[in-house]
Amino acid sequence: GAVVSQHPSWVICKSGTSVKIECRSLDFQATTMFWYRQFPKQSLMLMATSNEGSKATYEQGVEKDKFLINHASLTLSTLTVTSAHPEDSSFYICSANDDRSSNEQYFGPGTRLTVT
Amino acid sequence: AQKITQTQPGMFVQEKEAVTLDCTYDTSDQSYGLFWYKQPSSGEMIFLIYQGSYDEQNATEGRYSLNFQKARKSANLVISASQLGDSAMYFCAMRAYSSASKIIFGSGTRLSIRP
Repeated sequence: GAVVSQHPSWVICKSGTSVKIECRSLDFQATTMFWYRQFPKQSLMLMATSNEGSKATYEQGVEKDKFLINHASLTLSTLTVTSAHPEDSSFYICSANDDRSSNEQYFGPGTRLTVT
Repeated sequence: AQKITQTQPGMFVQEKEAVTLDCTYDTSDQSYGLFWYKQPSSGEMIFLIYQGSYDEQNATEGRYSLNFQKARKSANLVISASQLGDSAMYFCAMRAYSSASKIIFGSGTRLSIRP
């Protein structure tokens, strides 16, 4: 099956700093990728849709200036959490649509962010 | 607007028994897809099964089957012959094809298998 990787798998940063998370589709091209956030014992909440070569589409209530998304190629999307605060601590998961099949969506292994 | 509802926060099942996890959905779209994912404690999302809104037959994948009742807008997951390794969170999800293929998730059901 198709593989999506995320880097780093976990990160600890200090309050006020920025953190970049990478999401890569390893063996397929993905015009569209998605970023989710999951707090402990809760479901995945969609943050934004990342579109290759264009601006991301953010869900209601998600600050686009705080969560910067860049989708510079068909295999890479990045999420940058700017000026991180402890309440941004969460599990961030990306997923990608395989351009060859509209039904398939593959998830990365997630990145656990802890802001101290 | 789309919505997924999972009404069972947690379930306990004896090993080797079958278990049904409930899922209902709401959408005004005619074309949509329904998914079930498993999330073990490691956090990875494991795809289990998919059902398209126009599929007439219920989807099956090994021990997993999806009981799709379109008129009732339900898409229950049935796991036959449960195993200890089935203990995990299970999420029902939906993609409405009019909404840029994004997938929304239900609140999840924590399944625990007793030996």
